[in-house]
Amino acid sequence: GQQVMQIPQYQHVQEGEDFTTYCNSSTTLSNIQWYKQRPGGHPVFLIQLVKSGEVKKQKRLTFQFGEAKKNSSLHITATQTTDVGTYFCAGRGSGGSNYKLTFGKGTLLTVNP
Amino acid sequence: DSGVTQTPKHLITATGQRVTLRCSPRSGDLSVYWYQQSLDQGLQFLIQYYNGEERAKGNILERFSAQQFPDLHSELNLSSLELGDSALYFCASSRAISEQFFGPGTRLTVL
Repeated sequence: GQQVMQIPQYQHVQEGEDFTTYCNSSTTLSNIQWYKQRPGGHPVFLIQLVKSGEVKKQKRLTFQFGEAKKNSSLHITATQTTDVGTYFCAGRGSGGSNYKLTFGKGTLLTVNP
Repeated sequence: DSGVTQTPKHLITATGQRVTLRCSPRSGDLSVYWYQQSLDQGLQFLIQYYNGEERAKGNILERFSAQQFPDLHSELNLSSLELGDSALYFCASSRAISEQFFGPGTRLTVL
């Protein structure tokens, strides 16, 4: 079945440093979504990428979808303590598995003030 | 507040018991999804319902079952509970194939 791998599992940075998490799928995706889960909270939708090579920005966050639609990344510029949490990618397959989102295991980001 | 409600917030029970978790989706959302989150397994998709019908199945054990009612709320039934079933159970809802809105979760502890 479809697998979505996410690295790194943990990342600790100093406030102001950049952060990147990477997501790789074993199969071609129809789209990919990113979620953030604050400690003790629930996942919250950040963005969806659909097109091959798509790049979207939300303030200090930059999301990319690979040309082959099998990988994606989330980059945070100049991290702040409010960025702390676990970032999940979730890939939606194409064809018969279209309805199911497969989540990566997430990257836990901690930020030292 | 995502608009998705889940009850109860916490549940403590013993091995072998059966529990029911409840979810009310956002107004207008026809799809409901159930996920299990444990420390070592991340977010595991269990099952999806769309307008009362089962739409997709993930890693759901045979001891677990779910349904979605005509008013669109959903219940996840967990039976013959084992220690390893202790986890956070999230419900999410969505309109068609789009972003999912997660509820606050139910923390299940099996002793």
